[in-house]
This record gives sequence, structure tokens and C-alpha cells, in this order.
Amino acid sequence: GNSVTQMEGPVTLSEEAFLTINCTYTATGYPSLFWYVQYPGEGLQLLLKATKADDKGSNKGFEATYRKETTSFHLEKGSVQVSDSAVYFCALETSYDKVIFGPGTSLSVIP
Amino acid sequence: DADVTQTPRNRITKTGKRIMLECSQTKGHDRMYWYRQDPGLGLRLIYYSFDVKDINKGEISDGYSVSRQAQAKFSLSLESAIPNQTALYFCATSPSSGANVLTFGAGSRLTVL
Repeated sequence: GNSVTQMEGPVTLSEEAFLTINCTYTATGYPSLFWYVQYPGEGLQLLLKATKADDKGSNKGFEATYRKETTSFHLEKGSVQVSDSAVYFCALETSYDKVIFGPGTSLSVIP
Repeated sequence: DADVTQTPRNRITKTGKRIMLECSQTKGHDRMYWYRQDPGLGLRLIYYSFDVKDINKGEISDGYSVSRQAQAKFSLSLESAIPNQTALYFCATSPSSGANVLTFGAGSRLTVL
């Protein structure tokens, strides 16, 4: 079946550090892939997406590349800020147009 | 006003009580969803609706029911609440074409004592 696996959190980084959050998936076909972010006390919002293999999604300094050969969609940012502290969810769209989510990775950035 | 509005934002109730969570949207999207968020489990899909006359069970529909009253309104009911339904509930919408990008409400936190 379809599933999304993310690295365990929480992740704590110093400001300006490099961020990687790993995401791998299991799915049939070529699903669209997403990263959503949830700031404290809020709902999730789309951070970036990629709809086909080798696509790179990017937004607010975050990037992720759709790697079909490794079934991965790792999130990266070169220099994190305190305002990036949030929970990050990797997600995929199944062949039945449903979106399923990974367990989320909590990120704390300290000054 | 928010694109997706959930009411109530917080609710404390007792075991056995009937609870309704409401969701309304101004996005004009056909598709609406109810998810439940639990720590360490991410979001799990309860029910979804692709248009007013379409209702589908998600992965954890037992103990829940839904009603799609209009394109803009989708409510979730717990007929007889139990403590393990304590969670944060999210309503979301998406367009019926293109990549399935979800727009979420701010969430409804439900505590069942």
C-alpha cells in the first residue's frame, strides 16, 4: 500500500545551520509529493510540491527533489532561522486522489 | 476571514456525548476532508467528499459520521464520544483538478473525558 516515512524528531539546530529532513515513500505509479509545515497553534500549509520525477520544489529557501530511483523527497534548507521552528510533514497523493501524510518532524531552531 | 473555518476551536466533553464539528470554506473547492492528528502518528484521514453527493470512508472512519450539507459545508459527528477520540481534528479542501494541494482550517481540539 501507500505510505510515507520520515526521520524521527525532534530536531534541534542552531540558527544558520543546514537542515535536512529525510522522507521516503511507498506508492504505485508516480504520485505527486508534498511538504507541508505546521506552525504552533495553526493548521498545515503547503510548503512545496513536486509532481513528477526529478522535479525540484522550492519555497522560502526550502528545497526538495523528487527522486524516483530512491523513492525519496528529502527537505533541505541551507541556513535555518528561528522562524522556521515548526512541524514538517511529508505527504503523497495516492492514485485515488487522497493525500496521506508521514508522522511529522518537529524542528526547533535556537538563536 | 479564513478560507477554511472550523467550529468549535476547542471542546471538552464527556464520554457518551454526541459531538459535531463544523467546517465551512470560501475557496469554492469541490473536495473536502476530515483528518485527525495525534502526536507521532501524523494526520490520518477520517472521511472525504469529492462533491456534494459523494461521501467516502478514510482509514479511520469507525465511530465517526459526516454530512456534506452544501459545497461549502462539511461536518463531522461523533455519535457517542469516547476518550481515545481525544485529538486535534482538521478540515481541509482541495480543487478537483491539478495537483491535490490541500487548504487546511486552523483545527478543532477535542477532549473527551
